[in-house]
Amino acid sequence: QKEVEQDPGPLSVPEGAIVSLNCTYSNSAFQYFMWYRQYSRKGPELLMYTYSSGNKEDGRFTAQVDKSSKYISLFIRDSQPSDSATYLCAMSRSSNTGKLIFGQGTTLQVKP
Amino acid sequence: EAGVAQSPRYKIIEKRQSVAFWCNPISGHATLYWYQQILGQGPKLLIQFQNNGVVDDSQLPKDRFSAERLKGVDSTLKIQPAKLEDSAVYLCASSRDNSYEQYFGPGTRLTVT
Repeated sequence: QKEVEQDPGPLSVPEGAIVSLNCTYSNSAFQYFMWYRQYSRKGPELLMYTYSSGNKEDGRFTAQVDKSSKYISLFIRDSQPSDSATYLCAMSRSSNTGKLIFGQGTTLQVKP
Repeated sequence: EAGVAQSPRYKIIEKRQSVAFWCNPISGHATLYWYQQILGQGPKLLIQFQNNGVVDDSQLPKDRFSAERLKGVDSTLKIQPAKLEDSAVYLCASSRDNSYEQYFGPGTRLTVT
């Protein structure tokens, strides 16, 4: 069993839709949860991070962590064609280890 | 601020040949990472340097892969000899310290035939 599971999609939605992206994990030691966005032929870029359980909002993006269920989510409101990319969840045991465990990524396409 | 630079961007080699990738991290970033991203998968950490010392190389196939970071700045990742399963994108990333906030380069796409 992989430490981090993520549905690869692809996920296709119309412009303006609310998008929900999810990951599950098996290791309860994970404390830090990140979402990276990767455009085609580019390296990943950090989108959001959350420590432990709870919600975090940044503009159109909301990250949620439910440690009791070992489940994290990223919501995108009012999705735009420019949001079309692969979204990778990543997790770490501590803030100063640098070792990230990535999910396989979900490919999102937002159609105009 | 200039980003993480990598070269070459693409490389095609035959199995059993050797190949080397180069990375120049963001200025001032002490930590440098090499990841392997196989098509359809997330990045997998191969090796992590703090300045010019190795922090974690537990997932580096040491019989064929090697990496160095001389003078704590640029880094080189080498594969010798290459296997078909080494076909992947090799990503270099850097961070100010051992942090989840990592900045990635564009990657080198390796095809082994």
